[in-house]
Amino acid sequence: GAVVSQHPSWVICKSGTSVKIECRSLDFQATTMFWYRQFPKQSLMLMATSNEGSKATYEQGVEKDKFLINHASLTLSTLTVTSAHPEDSSFYICSGQRGFTEAFFGQGTRLTVV
Amino acid sequence: AQSVAQPEDQVNVAEGNPLTVKCTYSVSGNPYLFWYVQYPNRGLQFLLKYITGDNLVKGSYGFEAEFNKSQTSFHLKKPSALVSDSALYFCAVRDGMDSSYKLIFGSGTRLLVRP
Repeated sequence: GAVVSQHPSWVICKSGTSVKIECRSLDFQATTMFWYRQFPKQSLMLMATSNEGSKATYEQGVEKDKFLINHASLTLSTLTVTSAHPEDSSFYICSGQRGFTEAFFGQGTRLTVV
Repeated sequence: AQSVAQPEDQVNVAEGNPLTVKCTYSVSGNPYLFWYVQYPNRGLQFLLKYITGDNLVKGSYGFEAEFNKSQTSFHLKKPSALVSDSALYFCAVRDGMDSSYKLIFGSGTRLLVRP
């Protein structure tokens, strides 16, 4: 299957700082990418849909000014958690859409805010 | 509205025995159905999908799933479980008429295969 690379795999940051997470489709072009958040022992919660060259579409309840998404090219989307706080600690996962039916997921990023 | 239900939080099975992980769905249009597996601190790996065609879908690592339209189910099965199959399994659905490509995930089922 296709490969989506997410970086970093884990990050620890101080409260109040910003953290950027990258999601790259390595062997296909992803016009659409998705960002999810997963709490321990829970399912994936869709945060936003990222379309190349346009503004991201955020799900209800997700603060767009806190979770900045940029999709500058067909192979790269970034999620920046601004002014991070301990409650933002979570597992973040991206996926890239290939064609009409296939979604490939990154390996996830464990964010810990201290 | 689309929804997915995985009624079992955990499924326990002995190695070598068949396993079933249940999934039911609700969509207004044609369902596109998916199974993913997640290992600890990792992203999701694709197992199989149903879009159209044969109701029995075969996927990776010996897994298969059967689409049952009348029961709105898409249960995941494997004839002989391995200890290495122990992981978290997610069923997901998309409405085939929805151009947003959004996937709705079930709550996940933890599969534990004991030696």
